[in-house]
Amino acid sequence: DIQMTQSPSTLSAFVGDTVTITCRASQSISGWLAWYQQKPGKAPKLLMYKSSSLESGVPSRFSGSGSGPEFTLTISSLQPDDFATYYCLHYDVRSPWTFGQGTKVELK
Amino acid sequence: EVQLVESGGGLVKPGGSLWLSCEVAGFSFSKYTMNWVRQAPGRGLEWVSSISGSGRYIYYADLVKGRFTVSRDNAKNTLYLRMSSLRVEDTAVYYCVGNWNDLFYWGQGTLVAVSS
Repeated sequence: DIQMTQSPSTLSAFVGDTVTITCRASQSISGWLAWYQQKPGKAPKLLMYKSSSLESGVPSRFSGSGSGPEFTLTISSLQPDDFATYYCLHYDVRSPWTFGQGTKVELK
Repeated sequence: EVQLVESGGGLVKPGGSLWLSCEVAGFSFSKYTMNWVRQAPGRGLEWVSSISGSGRYIYYADLVKGRFTVSRDNAKNTLYLRMSSLRVEDTAVYYCVGNWNDLFYWGQGTLVAVSS
């Protein structure tokens, strides 16, 4: 099975900073990569799908890129509402899903 | 309006069994691959199982293989998870998630607590 290694596990930043989260797959994968934001006590919220497609309603300060084994989520000009935990997800109808371990973005 | 409503969670002793259900409305259930995803307290998201729209393709995480059984009833728009031989480490919020292409729909989750 494909493993997703997400880094960093914690990220401290100021409002207005630009931050980047990385997910690396254990083998080359197609672009079936999503990014989720989760806040305590809530279900995850989809931000990006197919690696770089922005989900409807998600602010444009969120962007995704990558291919093959390495993918990134970038948040430009971090806002107070962005402090949360972020997960990557490799999804493929032909194989099991795999989540990254999560990245907690906290206020510095 | 899309709705996924999980039910069946609760407190169970180690070694016990539990049935989870997820009733779906607002999308073409039979087209969607359905998944169970769980989250232990203070931990990350963990995929548990998936079942294709027809029910033909089924996958399980290694940690639950042989103990959990996923099924679906497309006539009732309902997804199930039969959990047996439950362990303390199965304690988590269990979410049902529908996926078709790049569409994802999540329920709000149901808490399963395994404790003596």
